[in-house]
Amino acid sequence: EPEVTQTPSHQVTQMGQEVILRCVPISNHLYFYWYRQILGQKVEFLVSFYNNEISEKSEIFDDQFSVERPDGSNFTLKIRSTKLEDSAMYFCASSEFLGLDRFFGPGTRLTVL
Amino acid sequence: AQSVAQPEDQVNVAEGNPLTVKCTYSVSGNPYLFWYVQYPNRGLQFLLKYITGDNLVKGSYGFEAEFNKSQTSFHLKKPSALVSDSALYFCAVRDENYGQNFVFGPGTRLSVLP
Repeated sequence: EPEVTQTPSHQVTQMGQEVILRCVPISNHLYFYWYRQILGQKVEFLVSFYNNEISEKSEIFDDQFSVERPDGSNFTLKIRSTKLEDSAMYFCASSEFLGLDRFFGPGTRLTVL
Repeated sequence: AQSVAQPEDQVNVAEGNPLTVKCTYSVSGNPYLFWYVQYPNRGLQFLLKYITGDNLVKGSYGFEAEFNKSQTSFHLKKPSALVSDSALYFCAVRDENYGQNFVFGPGTRLSVLP
């Protein structure tokens, strides 16, 4: 069964550093998403991406964040200058059709020191 | 704007007993409702969804959920709980009038005791 994959599984970085979280969505999916879950809290929407542009984003997704689909398979989330409060589990998701099922990856745990 | 409530942080049930994990929602338009499960150190796994049609939706691993429009609820149920069902369960809603965003509830931790 096809699945969304994410790398790395755990990323540790120093405050102020840039990080790139990588995702490979399911191959025939057209819609891509990033969510995050701060430890012990609920899952929060960050951004959705379709046709090589952001289709929707939340208040969390400020200028420090960016997304990109650099080739036909990868979908990345970049945080330019990490802050302590960026420490969270980041989930990538994809869907075949507009807005319905989301298939989630296993997540990348980001720890900012 | 849409919102989701899961009134119970924790649900404990004995193995073999029926379980219910509660979810209520608020939307302005028609809701699309989902349940996801998260096992320790794992991602979110899709269980089931309600888009339209029958109010009783059957999903993975023997779970089902009932959409109740008048009570704005979408409670998750299983007739006979297994210890392996112990996990964190998230209800999510998408409002047809508000774009692509899913809103997740805070999660309910289910513990099934042997």
